[in-house]
Amino acid sequence: DGGITQSPKYLFRKEGQNVTLSCEQNLNHDAMYWYRQDPGQGLRLIYYSQIVNDFQKGDIAEGYSVSREKKESFPLTVTSAQKNPTAFYLCASSVQGGNQPQHFGDGTRLSIL
Amino acid sequence: RKEVEQDPGPFNVPEGATVAFNCTYSNSASQSFFWYRQDCRKEPKLLMSVYSSGNEDGRFTAQLNRASQYISLLIRDSKLSDSATYLCVVPEGTSGYSTLTFGKGTMLLVSP
Repeated sequence: DGGITQSPKYLFRKEGQNVTLSCEQNLNHDAMYWYRQDPGQGLRLIYYSQIVNDFQKGDIAEGYSVSREKKESFPLTVTSAQKNPTAFYLCASSVQGGNQPQHFGDGTRLSIL
Repeated sequence: RKEVEQDPGPFNVPEGATVAFNCTYSNSASQSFFWYRQDCRKEPKLLMSVYSSGNEDGRFTAQLNRASQYISLLIRDSKLSDSATYLCVVPEGTSGYSTLTFGKGTMLLVSP
């Protein structure tokens, strides 16, 4: 059953701590994306990757880091430099070729302890 | 970043009503558009893709007006289960490496 899996579903971070959110897809999609959604707000792009071993900053990359060592995996690290990390984090993937829709995982809710 | 504007609503309609949402976009180079549905505290799910002047899928019709740069979504015979936030989505570029710009969404509440 193909899809995108995000884990964990809920995550709590202590002050000064880095945390890593997992995103795995078995759709054979080349492109993967990370978004942040705050209550009552739209999705904002954090980072995206169009191909393995390459990624680009989105609109709000400060305080975050990513890696793309495998096609299937695109983990996001929320570093201690991100001062307001409480949000709903969504990972998505799509085929290449331009103008393609993205398919989302079911998200990770990150909160500060 | 290009803008995508939507009326946040909420649109309150009774079951069986017809409701329409509009979305305006600023990227005149966009070739395709999407409507996503997002339930409360859930991920967005693709509802419809619009690649030409419009698309119809059952009770849902999407129309595109390139000259005025707006997209509409029409829902006929509304069901309680249609209650959700509807996101208008526009690609940033036209190449194989485009990203998507999401509107903030329009909330629909269908009541009995």
